[in-house]
Amino acid sequence: KQEVTQIPAALSVPEGENLVLNCSFTDSAIYNLQWFRQDPGKGLTSLLLIQSSQREQTSGRLNASLDKSSGRSTLYIAASQPGDSATYLCAVSGSNYQLIWGAGTKLIIKP
Amino acid sequence: ETGVTQTPRHLVMGMTNKKSLKCEQHLGHNAMYWYKQSAKKPLELMFVYSLEERVENNSVPSRFSPECPNSSHLFLHLHTLQPEDSALYLCASSQSLSTDTQYFGPGTRLTVL
Repeated sequence: KQEVTQIPAALSVPEGENLVLNCSFTDSAIYNLQWFRQDPGKGLTSLLLIQSSQREQTSGRLNASLDKSSGRSTLYIAASQPGDSATYLCAVSGSNYQLIWGAGTKLIIKP
Repeated sequence: ETGVTQTPRHLVMGMTNKKSLKCEQHLGHNAMYWYKQSAKKPLELMFVYSLEERVENNSVPSRFSPECPNSSHLFLHLHTLQPEDSALYLCASSQSLSTDTQYFGPGTRLTVL
C-alpha cells in the first residue's frame, strides 16, 4: 500500500532564502508525482507535475525533482517571498486515477 | 465563473439536519471527485464520478450520499452527520479518469455540532 510522507510538517524561514520541501513515498511504481499549494480558505492549486520518466520540472522559482528508485521528491523554492506562505502538498498516482496524498508542509516566509 | 466552484463555502449543521454541498466545474471535464480534508491528515478520496457514473466509493458511510446529475455538477447530500465529520470538503475535476491533473474548488468548511 502506497504511503506518502512529508517532512517537516511546518517550516518557517526568512524572506529571500532558498528552501527545500521533501516528499517520500513507499512504492516506486508511480505514474507521476504532483506538487500542490493550498492557501488558507482556498482549494488546491497544482504547481508542478513530474511524469515517472522525468527527473525534474521547473516553473519560475520552483523546481521539483523526482528520484523514483529512492522514493523521494523535493520542491525547491528559490528566493522565497512572503507570498509563498502556504501549505504544500505532494501526491503520487499509480496505475489508476487515484492520488495518494501527503499530509503537507506548512510554510511561513517571514518578511 | 471559471474553474471549479463550490457552495456554500461554510456550513454549520446539527446532527439531525439534512444539507447538500454543491460543486460545479466550468472546464468541460468528464471526471469529478469529492475529497475530505481533516486537520493535519492527508486528503481522503470519498467518491469519483466519470461521465456521470460513480466509479469509486471508498468505504464512505451512508450518511454521505453523492449525486452527479450531469458532467458539470456534483452534489454531496448530508444526513445525520457526526461531529467527527467536521472537515473541509473539496471537489475536484479532471479531463478524464486518468492521471490528468485535477483542478480543485475552494472547498466547503463543514462544522457539525
